[in-house]
Amino acid sequence: RKEVEQDPGPFNVPEGATVAFNCTYSNSASQSFFWYRQDCRKEPKLLMSVYSSGNEDGRFTAQLNRASQYISLLIRDSKLSDSATYLCVVNLAGGSQGNLIFGKGTKLSVKP
Amino acid sequence: SAVISQKPSRDICQRGTSLTIQCQVDSQVTMMFWYRQQPGQSLTLIATANQGSEATYESGFVIDKFPISRPNLTFSTLTVSNMSPEDSSIYLCSVEWGHGTGELFFGEGSRLTVL
Repeated sequence: RKEVEQDPGPFNVPEGATVAFNCTYSNSASQSFFWYRQDCRKEPKLLMSVYSSGNEDGRFTAQLNRASQYISLLIRDSKLSDSATYLCVVNLAGGSQGNLIFGKGTKLSVKP
Repeated sequence: SAVISQKPSRDICQRGTSLTIQCQVDSQVTMMFWYRQQPGQSLTLIATANQGSEATYESGFVIDKFPISRPNLTFSTLTVSNMSPEDSSIYLCSVEWGHGTGELFFGEGSRLTVL
């Protein structure tokens, strides 16, 4: 079983749509969770951390379900500029700092 | 935030040669990390580079193949030695912003193609 698993997509949605990405992780002792965004041919950048209570940043909502080892990202009112690959990232407990386990990413394409 | 500059941004190399990638950070950082992103794959940590000590390599990566230097708190190099086409990948330098935050800043990456 892969350590961090995501639906690769692509998700093709119209502007204004709501889209949700899911991610599962295999290590139940994982401590920290993140969503990164990677634009085509660019480096990944942190989008948001994911907290147990769930958190929201503007149009973006992240949720964590530890019991199911499941993380989600919801994007409301999609913009063309949201087109990117979204990486689910987990900090492997006991690993060195920076040893984040990256999913392969879910590709989002927002169309006019 | 941290600004990270990587050189070269891309290169095409012949099988059997070696390439050194440079990473410069605009502030002093304790640890620097080298990742690899193969086509269609997720990012994989190669090694962690601490200033003044040998780099710590992850499973599947060895110093002979990926020697790393860390001469000071703002600079590191990664060498890809005796390259084969399987080494074609994007190599990314990164630093952690804040202790234990999990927020990594990445350089723009070095896209390596081995013929």
